[in-house]
Amino acid sequence: KAGVTQTPRYLIKTRGQQVTLSCSPISGHRSVSWYQQTPGQGLQFLFEYFSETQRNKGNFPGRFSGRQFSNSRSEMNVSTLELGDSALYLCASKAGPGTDTQYFGPGTRLTVL
Amino acid sequence: QQQVKQSPQSLIVQKGGISIINCAYENTAFDYFPWYQQFPGKGPALLIAIRPDVSEKKEGRFTISFNKSAKQFSLHIMDSQPGDSATYFCAASSQFLNAGGTSYGKLTFGQGTILTVHP
Repeated sequence: KAGVTQTPRYLIKTRGQQVTLSCSPISGHRSVSWYQQTPGQGLQFLFEYFSETQRNKGNFPGRFSGRQFSNSRSEMNVSTLELGDSALYLCASKAGPGTDTQYFGPGTRLTVL
Repeated sequence: QQQVKQSPQSLIVQKGGISIINCAYENTAFDYFPWYQQFPGKGPALLIAIRPDVSEKKEGRFTISFNKSAKQFSLHIMDSQPGDSATYFCAASSQFLNAGGTSYGKLTFGQGTILTVHP
């Protein structure tokens, strides 16, 4: 069974631009979460989606948003990019909200110049 | 109260030795405690996980020890190998009820431990 896939793997943007990252969960998994990883703040939860609905949200500004499609694929969007948004963005999938085990993708490395 | 504190920040072990990484939490609602291993350029990979109803869980060379009263848990890597050199993260999550039923919430991660195993 294929793992979680994320595209693109690397991205370079400039301040003020917006970016969209994509995640395809493990086949059969219906819940997708997004995390931001930085050297200073570590791994921080952004949001979780299930059945195309946001189920949980972390403490990030409204510039960070996401959505989920009927095939469980998910996208996250960051608008008005800031230098501090440079990070590894990780997507994790699990079978459903009632399950605990999350499997991570390889991440998208975003650099904001 | 949502924090998970992990120590040490870095650890150097000789091949064949035992690596021990510790984590402590405050939120008594946490009831799922996984450990993840991350290599450079890769996403975290689940190693082993435990629930509070058991005090120890072993999978191969990896063992989690759990002390519910102290709110601490640790990862032991026996017979450490150079290939184990990676960053290790502990994490915790809890269940919550919402309109859709019981869900497991976000993972709260420790700050990570960089393990180096010398040959």
